[in-house]
Amino acid sequence: DQQVKQNSPSLSVQEGRISILNCDYTNSMFDYFLWYKKYPAEGPTFLISISSIKDKNEDGRFTVFLNKSAKHLSLHIVPSQPGDSAVYFCAAGNTGKLIFGQGTTLQVKP
Amino acid sequence: KAGVTQTPRYLIKTRGQQVTLSCSPISGHRSVSWYQQTPGQGLQFLFEYFSETQRNKGNFPGRFSGRQFSNSRSEMNVSTLELGDSALYLCASSLEGSYTEAFFGQGTRLTVV
Repeated sequence: DQQVKQNSPSLSVQEGRISILNCDYTNSMFDYFLWYKKYPAEGPTFLISISSIKDKNEDGRFTVFLNKSAKHLSLHIVPSQPGDSAVYFCAAGNTGKLIFGQGTTLQVKP
Repeated sequence: KAGVTQTPRYLIKTRGQQVTLSCSPISGHRSVSWYQQTPGQGLQFLFEYFSETQRNKGNFPGRFSGRQFSNSRSEMNVSTLELGDSALYLCASSLEGSYTEAFFGQGTRLTVV
């Protein structure tokens, strides 16, 4: 039972353009959502989070949007840079238990 | 401020053996969670410890167990290893385990042969 889904295994964008990574969830009891970035042979690095009571959170080039009625969240990266190339995981949870999606590999081409 | 430290980084074990992995959280963090990452799968939640008590548990068999010490350091044990246990095991620490970001260690790469 995949409670958190990232349906796009990979995404390729041109440097300077917008990257949009999507995530869907099924459990309406999740109360916060996070995005992590992961390089090979490293642990995930926290990027940005959003509480379920908000619909948008912005931090520099990264913005997360939450649509609770659609049970959907997205991460926007503007402008995309080659250093953003990595695997991005969305996660949802409460009380310390995080459920992760399967990840989307983002490639930003110079 | 030191990050989350996991030891060892790499481990090779034989099927049927047992293994213990260690995680030292960020100073002051009381919640430690463990995750398993295998090819083609996302990170799968194993369990969470808070103040020496297991607070949450994922859907893994009883061969996977853990504990947390009074200094918040945590260990994870896997008994009777199977080939399918080969994975990257990650631990994450956070202040209280909720409404906070979890900071991950670099993981322990376990290979079962």
